[in-house]
Amino acid sequence: AQKVTQAQTEISVVEKEDVTLDCVYETRDTTYYLFWYKQPPSGELVFLIRRNSFDEQNEISGRYSWNFQKSTSSFNFTITASQVVDSAVYFCALSDPEGNKLTFGGGTRVLVKP
Amino acid sequence: EAQVTQNPRYLITVTGKKLTVTCSQNMNHEYMSWYRQDPGLGLRQIYYSMNVEVTDKGDVPEGYKVSRKEKRNFPLILESPSPNQTSLYFCASTPSRQRTSYEQYFGPGTRLTVT
Repeated sequence: AQKVTQAQTEISVVEKEDVTLDCVYETRDTTYYLFWYKQPPSGELVFLIRRNSFDEQNEISGRYSWNFQKSTSSFNFTITASQVVDSAVYFCALSDPEGNKLTFGGGTRVLVKP
Repeated sequence: EAQVTQNPRYLITVTGKKLTVTCSQNMNHEYMSWYRQDPGLGLRQIYYSMNVEVTDKGDVPEGYKVSRKEKRNFPLILESPSPNQTSLYFCASTPSRQRTSYEQYFGPGTRLTVT
C-alpha cells in the first residue's frame, strides 16, 4: 500500500523568509510518480510539479524548488523569499505505476505574514 | 475553455436522502476520478474510471457508487448519505494514455453537509 506523510501540519513565516515543506512517501513500486499541488484559500487545486521515480534531478521554477531523494523516500518543496500569495495548503501526492491511484499526504498549511 | 465542472457546488442534505453529484469534463479525457477531502487527511480517492463502463474502487469507496455511461460524465451517487460523508468532494480527469505523465485536472469542489 502507498502512503504519503507530510509531518508539518502548519507553518507560519514572515514574508521573504524561505520555507521548506517535507514529504515522505512509502511504496513497493519501483516506478512511481510524485506530485505537489497547491490549494489556495479559494479552494481549487493547482498543479505545481510532477516527478517520476527515475529522475532524481532537483528542479527549480522561479521561487519554487524541489529536492527528490530516493534514498530517503523524500520529495521536499522549498519556497524561497515567500510572499503573502504563497499562503495556501500544499499537498504532496504519490501515483502508482499505472497512474490509476493517487495517494495524497495530509497537507501542510503555509501562512505567510506580511 | 478546458475544464472540469461539478454540480452542485454546495449541498446540505439529511441522512438517508439519496443524492447525486455530477462531474463533467470537456477535454475528451478517458480517465476520471473522485476524491474526498477531510481536514488532516488530505484527499482520498473514492472511485476512478479508466474509460466508459470501466470503474474501480479507490481507497474509500464505502457508501458511494459511480457510473460512467458517457466519456464526459462521471457522477458520484450517495444512495443513503450519512453524517460521516460530510466532506469536500473533488472530481478530476486526465487523458488516459498520459495518466502518469500529466497532472490530474481537478474540478472546483462540492461541499456536502449531511445532517
